[in-house]
Amino acid sequence: GQNIDQPTEMTATEGAIVQINCTYQTSGFNGLFWYQQHAGEAPTFLSYNVLDGLEEKGRFSSFLSRSKGYSYLLLKELQMKDSASYLCAPLNGAGSYQLTFGKGTKLSVIP
Amino acid sequence: DTEVTQTPKHLVMGMTNKKSLKCEQHMGHRAMYWYKQKAKKPPELMFVYSYEKLSINESVPSRFSPECPNSSLLNLHLHALQPEDSALYLCASSQDSGRGTEAFFGQGTRLTVV
Repeated sequence: GQNIDQPTEMTATEGAIVQINCTYQTSGFNGLFWYQQHAGEAPTFLSYNVLDGLEEKGRFSSFLSRSKGYSYLLLKELQMKDSASYLCAPLNGAGSYQLTFGKGTKLSVIP
Repeated sequence: DTEVTQTPKHLVMGMTNKKSLKCEQHMGHRAMYWYKQKAKKPPELMFVYSYEKLSINESVPSRFSPECPNSSLLNLHLHALQPEDSALYLCASSQDSGRGTEAFFGQGTRLTVV
């Protein structure tokens, strides 16, 4: 099994920067995904980290530290449309990999 | 085509009914997944199919029966469900079930059991 911890809710102002943290304990770690899910919609892929360090993709960046079991998602220049749930998903297992989601962080962007 | 198509979008069924959820992708992905999502909760993995073979069953009750007829299709057969099984059922696919392959999700079937 695995233990994934991320804040339940966060609020940030339009145009600001927000960092969503995720800590995990898992066996057979094979990378970590971040997904975005708007209310009533399907999750969509944001990023994947398998090596330590920062991966930047436009306004979104994701960081991984395997030794600390820690990742964060950094969102810059926040827009109202960024209001959504952000799901941390470590990939574990051997053979067939299991993508298991954390509880998600509901981000509210306010004017 | 980067779509995963699920039908129906909505389904209401009685506890004695038998119904099926369908999922289709034409991206050549060889791994397909069923997730269950209750309101305000993250998706929970139910089943993983890899190369059309069931590779993971996350202790799902037998009233849920998955089937993978070919590499593009994934079904979830439902029988004798309970009201607590009402949820959004999401299908996803990825290139394979190995590392670094992002999963693409369908829009889900919202199931209500009455």
